[in-house]
Amino acid sequence: GQQLNQSPQSMFIQEGEDVSMNCTSSSIFNTWLWYKQDPGEGPVLLIALYKAGELTSNGRLTAQFGITRKDSFLNISASIPSDVGIYFCAGQTGGYQKVTFGTGTKLQVIP
Amino acid sequence: GAVVSQHPSWVICKSGTSVKIECRSLDFQATTMFWYRQFPKQSLMLMATSNEGSKATYEQGVEKDKFLINHASLTLSTLTVTSAHPEDSSFYICSAPTGANIQYFGAGTRLSVL
Repeated sequence: GQQLNQSPQSMFIQEGEDVSMNCTSSSIFNTWLWYKQDPGEGPVLLIALYKAGELTSNGRLTAQFGITRKDSFLNISASIPSDVGIYFCAGQTGGYQKVTFGTGTKLQVIP
Repeated sequence: GAVVSQHPSWVICKSGTSVKIECRSLDFQATTMFWYRQFPKQSLMLMATSNEGSKATYEQGVEKDKFLINHASLTLSTLTVTSAHPEDSSFYICSAPTGANIQYFGAGTRLSVL
């Protein structure tokens, strides 16, 4: 099935640093979602974006829905060790529609 | 947020046997649920859409006779892996959308076929 391209694929950062990751698609989505997955667990929703250009924050996390509706980014400020995990972007075309997942960004934080 | 419960969290079975995985929406009703499969170090790939009261919709390449889906009520969908083989070993995850159309995911089921 279709996947969204996410970058970077993985990253090592120092605790306290800011992190940025992005997601691009060849298709338009009406909803962009960002999830975090810990090993052996299901994805947990971090931020949901519903409108092109929308910028939304959730604590230290900020995400934006690209104007073209084909991309999104996620920023994490002042990273902490518990930010470690795999971050997935996901797109949805409409209400109650299936979610298409990105390829994932593995984040490792060095204390 | 809403809660989606998946059971069991881990199952080991012999090759040739069938395994049933349950997905329940605990505090909301879901006419649609989704089943994903995730191989190690890979992303989630949609297998099928489970529809309450009607047949499931399968993604291309997913065998419907091997992965039986039953959405018997507004809070329960089951995935049965029939005649499981080692290549079916994977992490299976379900999701359900809430009334606000936000997808919540179960904690996943790790299937190991010996």
